[in-house]
Amino acid sequence: KQEVTQIPAALSVPEGENLVLNCSFTDSAIYNLQWFRQDPGKGLTSLLLIQSSQREQTSGRLNASLDKSSGRSTLYIAASQPGDSATYLCAVDDSGNEKLTFGTGTRLTIIP
Amino acid sequence: KAGVTQTPRYLIKTRGQQVTLSCSPISGHRSVSWYQQTPGQGLQFLFEYFSETQRNKGNFPGRFSGRQFSNSRSEMNVSTLELGDSALYLCASSLLHGGAGELFFGEGSRLTVL
Repeated sequence: KQEVTQIPAALSVPEGENLVLNCSFTDSAIYNLQWFRQDPGKGLTSLLLIQSSQREQTSGRLNASLDKSSGRSTLYIAASQPGDSATYLCAVDDSGNEKLTFGTGTRLTIIP
Repeated sequence: KAGVTQTPRYLIKTRGQQVTLSCSPISGHRSVSWYQQTPGQGLQFLFEYFSETQRNKGNFPGRFSGRQFSNSRSEMNVSTLELGDSALYLCASSLLHGGAGELFFGEGSRLTVL
């Protein structure tokens, strides 16, 4: 059974710093991995999707990497801003049929 | 392009009642998935529909059911509500089934069971 872990559960950093969020998964046979952000009381916003054949994806200040063999993914956020404060969730699709297994998330706070 | 729309956004029910939640996917998307989010269990997969057929189901009791219409809109129903059913129910749409594609989520329906 796939298990997804995100450490740390919470992270506070000063505005302007670069930071890395971590995601690990137990079964490396995945189709893709997706990173989301969730603001309090809101739904999920898709940030990046990495297919199993890819090593990384970039969107603006965000860069996500994937190392299937080690069961790890990282989300790099450059030049953090207060608006980046949210909970970040990673999710893996190990069946190719839209059934995602989610991590418990990292609650990020950017201090102005 | 409109995103995934879920209604109602908030609702309060009492134990034993039933509830129906609605989800309209992004235009052109044909797969709809449902997830339950609680503080204790996090996000858990409920089921996925494609072409009006349930393609995949999570580990939830039979009180949880769903359906999909020919226009890809989907509904989920929870019967005989229990206190533990209080949660944020999220709907996601994707272009196809089995395409390992990106999922787009709605704002959710927050259900409180008293």
